[in-house]
Amino acid sequence: DGGITQSPKYLFRKEGQNVTLSCEQNLNHDAMYWYRQDPGQGLRLIYYSQIVNDFQKGDIAEGYSVSREKKESFPLTVTSAQKNPTAFYLCASNTGLSPLHFGNGTRLTVT
Amino acid sequence: DAKTTQPPSMDCAEGRAANLPCNHSTISGNEYVYWYRQIHSQGPQYIIHGLKNNETNEMASLIITEDRKSSTLILPHATLRDTAVYYCIVRVETNAGKSTFGDGTTLTVKP
Repeated sequence: DGGITQSPKYLFRKEGQNVTLSCEQNLNHDAMYWYRQDPGQGLRLIYYSQIVNDFQKGDIAEGYSVSREKKESFPLTVTSAQKNPTAFYLCASNTGLSPLHFGNGTRLTVT
Repeated sequence: DAKTTQPPSMDCAEGRAANLPCNHSTISGNEYVYWYRQIHSQGPQYIIHGLKNNETNEMASLIITEDRKSSTLILPHATLRDTAVYYCIVRVETNAGKSTFGDGTTLTVKP
């Protein structure tokens, strides 16, 4: 079955460490996105990429970095500069005029 | 992209129709109305979208007012598995990722 795989489902890190969240899709979608969700709130766009080797900042990019070296992969690095990194992170993809297709998220806890 | 306003919560009896409203009074002529839902701790799932005509699929119906300033998502026979957060967003169809997700409506279906 085609879909988006986010791993791991739960991730724990110490404050001050960088951490990379994985997002892989086998849908052959051109565009990929990262969203952040805090408890009881909606989704906020961190970064998105519409083509390999290109990406743009979303609404809350500070403290995050991404790369898009392959069409199927869009990893997100949460750096130590992100002041409140604990959150639920969602990856999505789409192509052309299709709706967003989401993964099941990674819950990051930083202590 | 235009902003949307949704009630924070709604209840519905199992087997009855669930009618979820969304206000998007600043919608532009080329912006579509999209609905997604998110079951706890999972990624959002696409439900339906439309421009100005009413739409129906196997999951739901979407009713858009003639002035396009509001819409209603209808789940015709709600089940307990329809308990979720429902998000209404508006966007230009070719700009999928730059979508602003508000806090949505938490629908609770009760036996």
